[in-house]
Formats: sequence, C-alpha cells, structure tokens
Amino acid sequence: GESVGLHLPTLSVQEGDNSIINCAYSNSASDYFIWYKQESGKGPQFIIDIRSNMDKRQGQRVTVLLNKTVKHLSLQIAATQPGDSAVYFCAEISGGYNKLIFGAGTRLAVHP
Amino acid sequence: GAVVSQHPSWVICKSGTSVKIECRSLDFQATTMFWYRQFPKQSLMLMATSNEGSKATYEQGVEKDKFLINHASLTLSTLTVTSAHPEDSSFYICSAVPGSSSYGYTFGSGTRLTVV
Repeated sequence: GESVGLHLPTLSVQEGDNSIINCAYSNSASDYFIWYKQESGKGPQFIIDIRSNMDKRQGQRVTVLLNKTVKHLSLQIAATQPGDSAVYFCAEISGGYNKLIFGAGTRLAVHP
Repeated sequence: GAVVSQHPSWVICKSGTSVKIECRSLDFQATTMFWYRQFPKQSLMLMATSNEGSKATYEQGVEKDKFLINHASLTLSTLTVTSAHPEDSSFYICSAVPGSSSYGYTFGSGTRLTVV
C-alpha cells in the first residue's frame, strides 16, 4: 500500500463551531480528490470531491479547498455537530491509474 | 445510489486456515474493484486492484499468493486470506467502480478478520 500508516491526529471542537481538517497529498499528477468520513467499524462514506481544475467546492455544510501549489487539501465543516464525530480521510486519484490512495486521516471529536 | 455489499462483516479463524471475503456490487456492474486493509488507528492501505476477467494487480509488499483475489463476474470479487496468521488480523474493505465511470468509488462496510 501507499498510504502512510501513522497514528491518527485528533481535532477537538465544540458543537456549533466550524472545523477545518487538513491534508497533504503526495502526487502532483493527481487530478481528483475526495474526502471521506469513516465511523468506527464501517467503510468510508463519501463527503465531497474536487477536481484539480478547481480550487474550491461547496456542499451542504462542507467546503473543500485545493491548493495545488503546495499540494494541500482542506475540509471545512460548518456548525459542527456531534454526528460529525468520526475519522476523516482525504484520498487522491492519479490520472490513468484510477487507484484511490488514502491520506493519513484525522479524528474529529465534537464536544457538546 | 450505488451499493456495495461485503460479507462477512466479521470472522474469527484459527491460524493456518483460509478465509474468503466477498464483495458484491448490488445495483451496478463493477469492472474494477479495490481491496484495502486497515489496521487500528491507521489509514486504509491499498492491497490490490481487481479487474473482471483478468489477474489482480497487487501493490508493492502485498503477497499475491497469500491474498488471492478473484473477480469472476462484474458484480463479485473475492479476497481469500490463505494460511492466516495473527498478524493478518485487520479490517478489510473493498471498493467498487462502475464500468461507466472511473470516479464513482463505492465502499463496502468492511470485514473484521481476527486470527487466533
């Protein structure tokens, strides 16, 4: 596998606050990026995606920002709720290979 | 929406035995399926890419003779962990891609394998 096997960092936020989760990707040739949410014991759940020809995309309560210059992605969650508590992964796809490679992940803990 | 079913959701087996995990696309045909392994508190690591009707492509460091992958139909891929050992205990997750789109990745719910 190609993802980094590190212990997950944790982001703790208060309910109602905005959350920003960051991700550095590895391949400058990657042309498609996805954010996933994973709850304990479950498979990843799609949140939002962005192609390399964009630098921002918004969904419902979520925004993804892409900075290709520094190979950085961020996921912004507005008005964070307890149900948002999970592990969040960014994933990248390199053109022509279709392999989805996951980043290290961040655990989001939402406190009431 | 696209649904991927993975079975079993958990399995316990003895060292030295083999275990088969199934990944099915329920409402679409998947020309490509991916198998991942996830250890506790770590990310998903891609093990192999499974293409219908052809041999799987394994990632570096993954033993193809230990992790047998079969993708005999457009809706089913199987991963067999042969001669399992305790260090093979992990969470195994499959992902399927519809034939018409390279970017519609749908994940199964995962299989927790415990080797005792």
